[in-house]
Amino acid sequence: AQSVTQLDSQVPVFEEAPVELRCNYSSSVSVYLFWYVQYPNQGLQLLLKYLSGSTLVKGINGFEAEFNKSQTSFHLRKPSVHISDTAEYFCAVTRNTGNQFYFGTGTSLTVIP
Amino acid sequence: DAGVTQSPTHLIKTRGQQVTLRCSPKSGHDTVSWYQQALGQGPQFIFQYYEEEERQRGNFPDRFSGHQFPNYSSELNVNALLLGDSALYLCASSRGLYQPQHFGDGTRLSIL
Repeated sequence: AQSVTQLDSQVPVFEEAPVELRCNYSSSVSVYLFWYVQYPNQGLQLLLKYLSGSTLVKGINGFEAEFNKSQTSFHLRKPSVHISDTAEYFCAVTRNTGNQFYFGTGTSLTVIP
Repeated sequence: DAGVTQSPTHLIKTRGQQVTLRCSPKSGHDTVSWYQQALGQGPQFIFQYYEEEERQRGNFPDRFSGHQFPNYSSELNVNALLLGDSALYLCASSRGLYQPQHFGDGTRLSIL
């Protein structure tokens, strides 16, 4: 079975500062990894995905993530955050032989002016 | 190009009632998945439909059922509603079984 752990439930950060949102997964098989963002009263929007190839993945809005197989991690980073990045961020994993997504409990990012 | 659309956006029901939620997938997508997102939680997988058949199912009781139509749209039905069914229900679509999913804005279901 797969599971996803997002280590920080809330992350406050000042505007223009860097941020890292942590995600660890457990799986006995190869997986695909994703980060989604959810703004208030909206659905989830795909930020980036790792399917194969380069372990450094670049997504939308200046976000990037690095897949680390030995540490079973897929941390999300942004070098300089904006007020508009305030949202809930979800890490998700799915097996490469199926399409059932397993989501973490989310990290609430608050950017402080 | 319309994305995933869900209806209604909000719904209020009472315990014991039945509800039907609807989803139209993104253009070109043929696979629909349903998720339940309780307040403050991540989405939980309910089931997935492809070629009008339920392909995978999460840990949800039989009160939760679904259907996919030939035009790929889908319905989620929940019978004998409980207070704990109050949640945001998200529909996601993809092109095929193994592709990233695109989410709709969800239906907020409140049970009184």
